[in-house]
This record gives sequence, structure tokens and C-alpha cells, in this order.
Amino acid sequence: SAVISQKPSRDICQRGTSLTIQCQVDSQVTMMFWYRQQPGQSLTLIATANQGSEATYESGFVIDKFPISRPNLTFSTLTVSNMSPEDSSIYLCSVEGSRGEQFFGPGTRLTVL
Amino acid sequence: AQKITQTQPGMFVQEKEAVTLDCTYDTSDQSYGLFWYKQPSSGEMIFLIYQGSYDEQNATEGRYSLNFQKARKSANLVISASQLGDSAMYFCAMRERSSGTYKYIFGTGTRLKVLA
Repeated sequence: SAVISQKPSRDICQRGTSLTIQCQVDSQVTMMFWYRQQPGQSLTLIATANQGSEATYESGFVIDKFPISRPNLTFSTLTVSNMSPEDSSIYLCSVEGSRGEQFFGPGTRLTVL
Repeated sequence: AQKITQTQPGMFVQEKEAVTLDCTYDTSDQSYGLFWYKQPSSGEMIFLIYQGSYDEQNATEGRYSLNFQKARKSANLVISASQLGDSAMYFCAMRERSSGTYKYIFGTGTRLKVLA
């Protein structure tokens, strides 16, 4: 399984600002995934990031709000733009194993005031 | 309609006993994957076990086994010999093909508390 790190691990932000979350994998992977977990809720896929192409966003998520970069095969960033308290969540990146299992980073715990 | 249903929001089990966490799923795909994940209070998500839709044998990984009943569309997780460290949220998930891409869907989770 891959080793995945995320930065920052947590942050407290003011509404209207933006935060960029970084995800680093210790091996080259084709796809990286970004999930959101709102307080007390399950995980929801935000988007899939392929290196060299635009990210594919799930229904309810748009690029203007959650721009994603994927500059190489080991790194991706997710920006949460123009934040509101409703964006307070854990944000997780993941990569896929050979059977489709997801290996997750430790998550970024975001609180928006 | 829910694609993944976990009907038990919370469960208790005595240490060293076995416990079954329920999961039912809904898909029209013939080829799909079913997964269970553990999320301790620290927030990390840990992959536990995988079952492919064509696998005839139930998957096992150490103390975890998956009771796969395809006709009933259920994929229950069985944890044997529960330990205090098993206390966590448990999520069932499915990977299916949709509109040419794979979709990954999580259930709402079951919070397991192991009692000493």
C-alpha cells in the first residue's frame, strides 16, 4: 500500500478566505481522489485527479469552489475557495489499490469561522 | 435511493466476542467491489477487507471476514474476538462502473464500541 501525507493536518480559517491542501504519495499513481467528510457524516467523493488532465468533479462539486492541481504523478492539491462555515469538514486524499481499495492520507481537519 | 445501507448507527460488543456489522447494497452492475473501512477517533481511514462480485468464497483478513450473500445483496462484516482497539466507526463501500467510470460510494457508517 502507498504511504500518503497531507498538509496541513488541521487549520482554522476565516470565512471568505481560501485554503490549499497538499497531498503527497510515495509512489507514482495515475489517479488521486479527494473526499470530504462533514462532521458526523460519511465520505463523499469531490473529484478524481488525473495527471495531465482536468479533474473530474462529482455532482454537487464545481471547479470554481474546489480547484485541483495535479502537476505530477505523486502530488496533488485541493483548494477550498471562498470558505463558509459549511465547508468545515475533514478533507482526505486517497489513491487506489489493485482491487479498487482506497488508501487514504491522514486527512486535513478544516474549521471555518 | 441509497446505494449502500448500513442500518446500525451504533453497536456494542463485549471484548473477545464476535460482532456482525450489516451492509446491504444496490447496483445493476454485474462487476463490482465491496469494501469495509475502519475510522478510529483519530480520523484516519483504514482499509480492512475486499470482496469482488465474482468471488465465490467469502473474503477473510485475519479477524475480519466478509459474509457475502450476493442474491440478498448483503456484505456484512464479521469481527471475531473483538478487542478494545476495534472501537471505531466502520464504513461499508462499493465500487461500481457508472457512465464509463468507476464510482465509489460509502455507507453512513456504524459506530462500534467494544466493552471491557
